[in-house]
Amino acid sequence: EAGVAQSPRYKIIEKRQSVAFWCNPISGHATLYWYQQILGQGPKLLIQFQNNGVVDDSQLPKDRFSAERLKGVDSTLKIQPAKLEDSAVYLCASSSQGSTVLYEQYFGPGTRLTVT
Amino acid sequence: AQKVTQAQTEISVVEKEDVTLDCVYETRDTTYYLFWYKQPPSGELVFLIRRNSFDEQNEISGRYSWNFQKSTSSFNFTITASQVVDSAVYFCALSDYNTDKLIFGTGTRLQVFP
Repeated sequence: EAGVAQSPRYKIIEKRQSVAFWCNPISGHATLYWYQQILGQGPKLLIQFQNNGVVDDSQLPKDRFSAERLKGVDSTLKIQPAKLEDSAVYLCASSSQGSTVLYEQYFGPGTRLTVT
Repeated sequence: AQKVTQAQTEISVVEKEDVTLDCVYETRDTTYYLFWYKQPPSGELVFLIRRNSFDEQNEISGRYSWNFQKSTSSFNFTITASQVVDSAVYFCALSDYNTDKLIFGTGTRLQVFP
């Protein structure tokens, strides 16, 4: 079974530029998560999708971050414009259903973003 | 509020030593789950264990063992006879039915030297 795929693996941009990350979850997984992991910290949930609907985006900085999951499969996370503090690893995860307490999340390798 | 504390930032051991990673949590919910994840240099988080709040039995899986103590709100992870391949960052996480989110600690970096 193929795991969660993410691209690109690394990205370096200058502040105020835009960037987009792509995630392909495990086939059949209804729930998709985007996490931000700043160096030295644990991952923090940015947004959770159930199929193509948003379940939780309370920690997403909506003035600059946006995410979509068209057709309930792949997802794209965008930052526009980027700030220095956005430098982090962006992790995508998926699970078969939306309950964190009941269903295991499978994580992708992440995209390491450096904003200069 | 939920919180997970991993006080050990970095631990270094020599191969074959036993090592314990500490995890202390806070939650107001009576029903919750605790997790451990491993993050090797490749980056993806690898699920190791999930334990619910009603099951305080210790668990052993090969060289790994977990000690859950509700009285001290701790869920510690021990690796017996450590190996170089155990080198990674280990995260403890908490989720409860109220928030249904994974709340991670800051992680412990384990380095196992040959």
